[in-house]
Parts: sequence; structure tokens; C-alpha cells
Amino acid sequence: EAQVTQNPRYLITVTGKKLTVTCSQNMNHEYMSWYRQDPGLGLRQIYYSMNVEVTDKGDVPEGYKVSRKEKRNFPLILESPSPNQTSLYFCASSPRDSLNEQFFGPGTRLTVL
Amino acid sequence: AQSVTQLGSHVSVSEGALVLLRCNYSSSVPPYLFWYVQYPNQGLQLLLKYTSAATLVKGINGFEAEFKKSETSFHLTKPSAHMSDAAEYFCAVSGGSQGNLIFGKGTKLSVKP
Repeated sequence: EAQVTQNPRYLITVTGKKLTVTCSQNMNHEYMSWYRQDPGLGLRQIYYSMNVEVTDKGDVPEGYKVSRKEKRNFPLILESPSPNQTSLYFCASSPRDSLNEQFFGPGTRLTVL
Repeated sequence: AQSVTQLGSHVSVSEGALVLLRCNYSSSVPPYLFWYVQYPNQGLQLLLKYTSAATLVKGINGFEAEFKKSETSFHLTKPSAHMSDAAEYFCAVSGGSQGNLIFGKGTKLSVKP
């Protein structure tokens, strides 16, 4: 089944404790992206990647890092999480020739205390 | 720059009534437009998309949307609401070369028996 998977689905952590949210897709998509969803703000892009070893900032990149060492994986790294990063995070992927057809993962709900 | 405005953060209809969710966009280039649905505790699912073909777009679950360039609108409609339509709906416009989607803030649809 074609899908985007994220782990963990739920995470509660404390300020300053490094964490990684994994994202994996099995559709051989070149493009991958991370969004955060906050009430009343919709979804906002954090980082994106056009292909392996190619990443770039989205609209709200502060406090996040990403890497793209393999085509299928695009982890989101919070090196020193803060409470304002409490949010619902979505990973998405799409083919390079159809950037607008994005497939979304199930989401990761992160709480930073 | 592209942007999306969804009118009404909450819409309530009775079962069997018309559903109308409003979306206006701003885009400096011919837009690709999307409607996504998010059921409680789930990820985003694509309802329908406009990619410059037919202006009336039919999607899943009986929803459709009409692209009106003169009004810069892409409103989502369904003739008869069902209880299972209760969810949050997001309108989005393509962000350009960055590949991101610019989302509206969402409209939560409630369906009363």
C-alpha cells in the first residue's frame, strides 16, 4: 500500500531534550516536506526537500533541522525543543513532476512541557 | 505571493442540507487549488483539486468545487450533508517552485441530526 508513515504518532517530552520524528514514504517520491498545524493557523511548511541531499527552509524553519540521506526518509529533528513547538506535525511527499499532488502522513502530536 | 482565505472557522448545517464552505485565493500565477479534509485524529485526505482543466471539479464523497477566476474563489459544496461529513476542511493553493501548499486556516463543519 502506498503510504507515508510517521513515528511516533504521539510524543510528550520536556524542554531541551533532543528528539527526532521520522517520516518514510514507499512511493519513490523525490519531494518531501514537513508541516506543522496549529489551531487557527492552518498548516505551515517547516522544511522541504526536492531530492536526496537537497533541503531548504519553508515558512517556519526556526528551531528545526532535517536531513535527506535516503530518498524514502525525511526525519525532522528538534535539537532543543521548546513549548512553542507543541503542535501537530505532518510529513508529505509527492513526485517531482507533480509537486502539487502531496500525500500526507497520519501526523505526529508533539507536546513539549 | 499566494494566499488563501477561508470564510468562517465554524459552519454548522443540518443533515440533508446544502454544505457550502468558502475559499478565496490570491495568486500571482495561474493557481492549482485543493480542498483537503481532516477527520478527527486523522491526517489530511485530498478531496479534490483544480489544475486548470474543467472549472467544476468533482471530488470524493459527493463534494465538488467551482473555480471562478473573476471572483478568485474556489468554494466547496455538497448538496446534502451527512453526519459523516463532520470534519475540518482546508483549502490550499500551490506555492510555486518551493512545492509547498499554502493552506487556509480551516473550517470546521458540524452536522446536526
